Amino acid sequence: EAGVAQSPRYKIIEKRQSVAFWCNPISGHATLYWYQQILGQGPKLLIQFQNNGVVDDSQLPKDRFSAERLKGVDSTLKIQPAKLEDSAVYLCASSRGGMHSPQYFGPGTRLLVL
Amino acid sequence: DAKTTQPTSMDCAEGRAANLPCNHSTISGNEYVYWYRQIHSQGPQYIIHGLKNNETNEMASLIITEDRKSSTLILPHATLRDTAVYYCIVRVGNQGGYQKVTFGTGTKLQVIP
Repeated sequence: EAGVAQSPRYKIIEKRQSVAFWCNPISGHATLYWYQQILGQGPKLLIQFQNNGVVDDSQLPKDRFSAERLKGVDSTLKIQPAKLEDSAVYLCASSRGGMHSPQYFGPGTRLLVL
Repeated sequence: DAKTTQPTSMDCAEGRAANLPCNHSTISGNEYVYWYRQIHSQGPQYIIHGLKNNETNEMASLIITEDRKSSTLILPHATLRDTAVYYCIVRVGNQGGYQKVTFGTGTKLQVIP
């Protein structure tokens, strides 16, 4: 089966600009996650969707970050306006949503904010 | 989720078994142990999970102590491609998959030729 797809792979922007990331999960996976991974740290969950509903966005900085998952498939994560500290890899993952369902991760988008 | 403690780094000779320990002394009865790894510049990859019995799959074996306060991930014949950061995570398993997976800083495993 095809894996989780993400685009773009790399993005360089200046602070205060906007940026958007796209994720296409594995077909049939109901649960979708966005993580932020700062260099040298483990991934940190930003938001979790079950189909097209949000089940956890407690660590999403809602003043600048937003995410949506229309029709319960693809998802976009947006940052507006970006800050220097947003430089990180943004990872998308999906899972079937079952009791022991592992998460399958995409390759990530590496963001550099100058 | 229960907190886990892992060594920061480990080395292993190519072809030998790599044994990666994880301490989870505050684990509760319904929490599972999961292992993921992250190869440089890639997203994390699921390896294996277990509750209290030892588990084995094509990638690795998971040994959980009887008191469940610690576990060991075993890569039986490490190769250079196994060089990665290995994350031990404990999480509750129930229907719906709504649990939040909290990654720590993991163990950086270096396989040496």
